[in-house]
Amino acid sequence: EVQLVQSGAEVKKPGESLKISCQTSGYSFTSNWIGWVRQMPGKGLEWMGVIYPGDSDTRYSPSFQGHVTISADKSISTAYLQWTSLKASDTATYYCARRAVWGVIITGYFDTWGQGTLVTVSS
Amino acid sequence: SHVLTQPPSVSVAPGQTARITCGGNNIGLKYVHWYQQKPGQAPVLVVYDDSDRPSGIPERFSGSNSGTTATLTISRVEAGDEADYYCQVWDNNSDPLFGGGTKLSVL
Repeated sequence: EVQLVQSGAEVKKPGESLKISCQTSGYSFTSNWIGWVRQMPGKGLEWMGVIYPGDSDTRYSPSFQGHVTISADKSISTAYLQWTSLKASDTATYYCARRAVWGVIITGYFDTWGQGTLVTVSS
Repeated sequence: SHVLTQPPSVSVAPGQTARITCGGNNIGLKYVHWYQQKPGQAPVLVVYDDSDRPSGIPERFSGSNSGTTATLTISRVEAGDEADYYCQVWDNNSDPLFGGGTKLSVL
């Protein structure tokens, strides 16, 4: 069974750094893109970026480029999302999700999602 | 910029059919995917590639896509279908894009 398990909720102050994780299992970690999606309180889904763990190719939404860093550790099948200086406006739930692959065909949808990590940034 | 437009809300009585639309320029030329998100839960894929269903998703969920509008249709709506629904597109020439979401209320 494919599973994406995210790290627990975080409470941080503005200006602090943070790294949250997405531990995967049940499939070959290096074969699928992993994406990160933000959901601010009461709002919709926003794509932040994706990483291909096979070669660490990473792409960012222009809205998040320069503010977050996406990375992956193949040795432990885990993807990460990190901030060096949090803002109050980063308060949101963050989801990781796996981009589906059918053989050699890379699809355009996320077939499995993590449970979400709530990040609260407040002074 | 590319935009996917969904109605903020749709209401339907139990047993009736709900139709949730997703509008976009030439969206009929792209594959559209749909996610269901219940309160406090992660999104779940309910339709992919316009009209296919993942394993475990009831046949009551179906999709279509043509021209400038994609539609998620939920037949014989149940109370448990009450949720937010998001459309999404992603092709090799663009970044992933989500619609703004539609809250389905079951009266």
